[in-house]
Amino acid sequence: QSALTQPASVSGSPGQSITISCTGTSSDVGGYNHVSWYQQHPGQVPRLMIYDVSKWPSGVSNRFSGSKSGNTASLTISGLQAEDEADYYCCSYAGSGTYVFGSGTKVTVL
Amino acid sequence: QVQVLQSGAEVKKPGASVKVSCKASGYTFTNYYVHWVRQAPGQGLEWMAIFNPTADSTSYAQKFQGRLSMTRDTSTTTVYMELNNLRSEDSAMYYCARECPSCCWFDPWGQGTLVTVSS
Repeated sequence: QSALTQPASVSGSPGQSITISCTGTSSDVGGYNHVSWYQQHPGQVPRLMIYDVSKWPSGVSNRFSGSKSGNTASLTISGLQAEDEADYYCCSYAGSGTYVFGSGTKVTVL
Repeated sequence: QVQVLQSGAEVKKPGASVKVSCKASGYTFTNYYVHWVRQAPGQGLEWMAIFNPTADSTSYAQKFQGRLSMTRDTSTTTVYMELNNLRSEDSAMYYCARECPSCCWFDPWGQGTLVTVSS
């Protein structure tokens, strides 16, 4: 199972919006509405930000939003803030009880 | 408070095995699945396996088939992950994480266990 494809880096200025893509196949992203996104600050544990493509866990800002079209899922961060600078990973269910993560995207706030 | 607490760092020689524990607290152990995810230094997250404590069943990523096993101790609400025949590429931070059945997302995560494989 190959990692889902994410851009290595995305940057934006405070207040702007950025979008991170996550491209898989019809066997994972395209086949299920079970895409989740995780934020990881350096040296810290991953934190769930979005689940089931576009749902928010309790406590997560609605500046984070998710969507999916075909084999590509996306995470949009609106009103970019300094604290959003981190690595972001998508994850998709891939059938038969297995999962696959994306390659990860480093978000830089300029 | 819902938590998953992992055992401490390990240093192993190539060819050896490592056993990492993940203790559940603050929730009913048998009502949730446990996943294992690893992260090599400077690298991304890699899904390894899922364990169903109720059914005592597992699913593994293909690359770990035959080298990875998981067990549970219901009395201590602990899941164990054992990786055999270690090689230097297995040096990584290993995380356990909880999933509600068929939710397909992981929360919370353990604090991580650093495994170093070195001769």
